[in-house]
Amino acid sequence: GDSVTQMEGPVTLSEEAFLTINCTYTATGYPSLFWYVQYPGEGLQLLLKATKADDKGSNKGFEATYRKETTSFHLEKGSVQVSDSAVYFCALGNSGGSNYKLTFGKGTLLTVNP
Amino acid sequence: NAGVTQTPKFRVLKTGQSMTLLCAQDMNHEYMYWYRQDPGMGLRLIHYSVGEGTTAKGEVPDGYNVSRLKKQNFLLGLESAAPSQTSVYFCASSPPADEQYFGPGTRLTVT
Repeated sequence: GDSVTQMEGPVTLSEEAFLTINCTYTATGYPSLFWYVQYPGEGLQLLLKATKADDKGSNKGFEATYRKETTSFHLEKGSVQVSDSAVYFCALGNSGGSNYKLTFGKGTLLTVNP
Repeated sequence: NAGVTQTPKFRVLKTGQSMTLLCAQDMNHEYMYWYRQDPGMGLRLIHYSVGEGTTAKGEVPDGYNVSRLKKQNFLLGLESAAPSQTSVYFCASSPPADEQYFGPGTRLTVT
């Protein structure tokens, strides 16, 4: 079945540091890939997505490129802010012969210190 | 436009009690989902629905039931709560084969 593996946290960075959160996946067919963010006490919000190979999703300074050859969708940001502190989830969307569902990674907690 | 709303926000149950969580969406989405979130486990799909009157089992359906009598509502029921069902429950909705929109969550404690 489909699966998503993302780097375990927690990740602690200083403000303005560079961020990478690794995400790799296993899937059949042609899945879509997503990054969701969860701020403390809230539900998940879509951060960015990519629907086919070589697509780059971007939002709020975050970027991720759908790499089919390495089955990866790593999240990057050039300069993090304290307000980026949250849990980040990589997810894969696929039908796999039945109904379309999302498969989530376990989440990576990011803390950004001033 | 409220998006996805969940009722209640918090609940404490005793073992063996029953309750129903309500999810409502005003985006006219076909698909709706119930997840549970536990520390270190990410989100796990409990049940989902691809349209009014339809439901299907997800990854962890045991101990839960669902109903989708109206397109905008998706109910999650616990018939006999157990401490293992202590969790944060999230509802989501989506158009077919697209990103999901999440509610704010319900924090349930079973003692």
